[in-house]
Amino acid sequence: NAGVTQTPKFQVLKTGQSMTLQCAQDMNHNSMYWYRQDPGMGLRLIYYSASEGTTDKGEVPNGYNVSRLNKREFSLRLESAAPSQTSVYFCASRRGQGPVSGANVLTFGAGSRLTVL
Amino acid sequence: RKEVEQDPGPFNVPEGATVAFNCTYSNSASQSFFWYRQDCRKEPKLLMSVYSSGNEDGRFTAQLNRASQYISLLIRDSKLSDSATYLCVVLPWGQKLVFGTGTRLLVSP
Repeated sequence: NAGVTQTPKFQVLKTGQSMTLQCAQDMNHNSMYWYRQDPGMGLRLIYYSASEGTTDKGEVPNGYNVSRLNKREFSLRLESAAPSQTSVYFCASRRGQGPVSGANVLTFGAGSRLTVL
Repeated sequence: RKEVEQDPGPFNVPEGATVAFNCTYSNSASQSFFWYRQDCRKEPKLLMSVYSSGNEDGRFTAQLNRASQYISLLIRDSKLSDSATYLCVVLPWGQKLVFGTGTRLLVSP
């Protein structure tokens, strides 16, 4: 049972390059999320998808785009990477589509460490 | 004021000690509360949900104080393996969880 799988685990980019972070879950979850984690900032929501075919902005969407390719996959794209996007990126998913509850919490992937030079 | 605030620590305790963390939240309409654990350079993992009546899971006890707008996590009989960062997570509304920056716990022999 793989859970939430993210690729790549590590990536170094130069300013201005583009890349896509891939995320797939095998738990038949409806909702998927992308977060970034920076020292002293906590996890911040970039984008989320409540269901296949829908995406919504989170707290820090600027500089990113997402695609909910199907129920399993939710990718995050950096079109023109900037040093400020150096961070650890986590994908997460959960079963439900409604408000988060005790029976309906987030499961995270192992993270993708991105450095932009 | 931040939506969710935690003491970053680190809390340094010996094995066997009891340690407690608090987390304050600013939105009085917050619906759900959770504690996640994050090991160094790993993903966050759910430790426990926090229910209004308080709840216990083995050595871990979580409490919610809505009047003072804080949640707490108590760890009894600390183990070396409890060393981690503990994230307070609050749901003010809808689907957008708000994460605290975490409290770091170091348990020493």
